[in-house]
Amino acid sequence: GAVVSQHPSWVICKSGTSVKIECRSLDFQATTMFWYRQFPKQSLMLMATSNEGSKATYEQGVEKDKFLINHASLTLSTLTVTSAHPEDSSFYICSARKVYSNQPQHFGDGTRLSIL
Amino acid sequence: GENVEQHPSTLSVQEGDSAVIKCTYSDSASNYFPWYKQELGKGPQLIIDIRSNVGEKKDQRIAVTLNKTAKHFSLHITETQPEDSAVYFCAARNFGNEKLTFGTGTRLTIIP
Repeated sequence: GAVVSQHPSWVICKSGTSVKIECRSLDFQATTMFWYRQFPKQSLMLMATSNEGSKATYEQGVEKDKFLINHASLTLSTLTVTSAHPEDSSFYICSARKVYSNQPQHFGDGTRLSIL
Repeated sequence: GENVEQHPSTLSVQEGDSAVIKCTYSDSASNYFPWYKQELGKGPQLIIDIRSNVGEKKDQRIAVTLNKTAKHFSLHITETQPEDSAVYFCAARNFGNEKLTFGTGTRLTIIP
């Protein structure tokens, strides 16, 4: 079945540093990838929709300069949390959909980001 | 935009019994309804989905029903097992819109 790989699974870093999270579709090509943020015991909050070769579309209230998204190929999207602060600590999850199909979204296993 | 409500927020079921989780949606243009299971520390995993041209779909112990008129859909898990314990999310999407709108989640606990 469709597999989405996310790396790293867990990262701890100091306040002020930038952190990059990778999302790869391993066995299919994804025109569209999505980035979500999830707080403890809450639902998934869509941050942005990323289309290969074009700029990401951010949801209202999400700072595009804080959360940089790049979708350079049909199998890779990256989320960079710039100048991270403790309030950016969260569980970040990506998902992907197959090119030109009616296939569902498949999710990665998430990245737990802790900013000290 | 679409709004999806999910009930109950927590559900405890004796092992072997059935569990039912219900969702309602607001956008009549929505035509795709997946259900995801999320285990602790992991991403959501698709367990079953249904499109608006059918009223019911079954996969072994899991079934989903859809009532388009009432704009609600439900997840049914029969013969529950301890490994069914997780958080379950419903979602909705309409044709031409890439985004899924998620429900608030149901924490299902199977009591051995």
